[in-house]
Amino acid sequence: AQTVTQSQPEMSVQEAETVTLSCTYDTSENNYYLFWYKQPPSRQMILVIRQEAYKQQNATENRFSVNFQKAAKSFSLKISDSQLGDTAMYFCAFMKPNAGGTSYGKLTFGQGTILTVHP
Amino acid sequence: DGGITQSPKYLFRKEGQNVTLSCEQNLNHDAMYWYRQDPGQGLRLIYYSQIVNDFQKGDIAEGYSVSREKKESFPLTVTSAQKNPTAFYLCASSIGGLPQETQYFGPGTRLLVL
Repeated sequence: AQTVTQSQPEMSVQEAETVTLSCTYDTSENNYYLFWYKQPPSRQMILVIRQEAYKQQNATENRFSVNFQKAAKSFSLKISDSQLGDTAMYFCAFMKPNAGGTSYGKLTFGQGTILTVHP
Repeated sequence: DGGITQSPKYLFRKEGQNVTLSCEQNLNHDAMYWYRQDPGQGLRLIYYSQIVNDFQKGDIAEGYSVSREKKESFPLTVTSAQKNPTAFYLCASSIGGLPQETQYFGPGTRLLVL
């Protein structure tokens, strides 16, 4: 079974600075998908970024980028120029491709990192 | 506006009562999902549906039931058999066709037991 570990329960950063959130996962699969979701105080889950394991290039979305280290099974999220609106809980999630039965579309989530951006 | 709506925002359940959480999407997505979130934890999959009139159990389906009579709607019933229903419930959808497609989430329903 896949597991996802986020070792930082809480992080804080000053506005405009850069912060990196860590995520490691355990799998025997060679191809899979990784996601970072953001859950602000409103509790709605918002997709931040997605990475396909077969792609060597790290995904980027504006101020958000990932450092995907497949051999190390590491998938960290870097937030540049942090803004107050980035304050949220961030979840790393793993998905196996083409899984059927009870695993279809199953996202395995880490326990989350609470990020607070200070003015 | 395209999106996923969930209602109600808060729901209270009395002992022995069944309650139903609504999830509607106008994204024309085929696949829909229900997740449960407990404090300090990530999400866990309850049920999913790939197409209308079909659904499958996830990791924690006991005490829950679903239906998928319309593409747009995927209601979740929390039955009296679910002994610890207090949690935050999130509905999600994806285009469908392939299970690895990105899932988009609704705003959630908080269920509390009286």
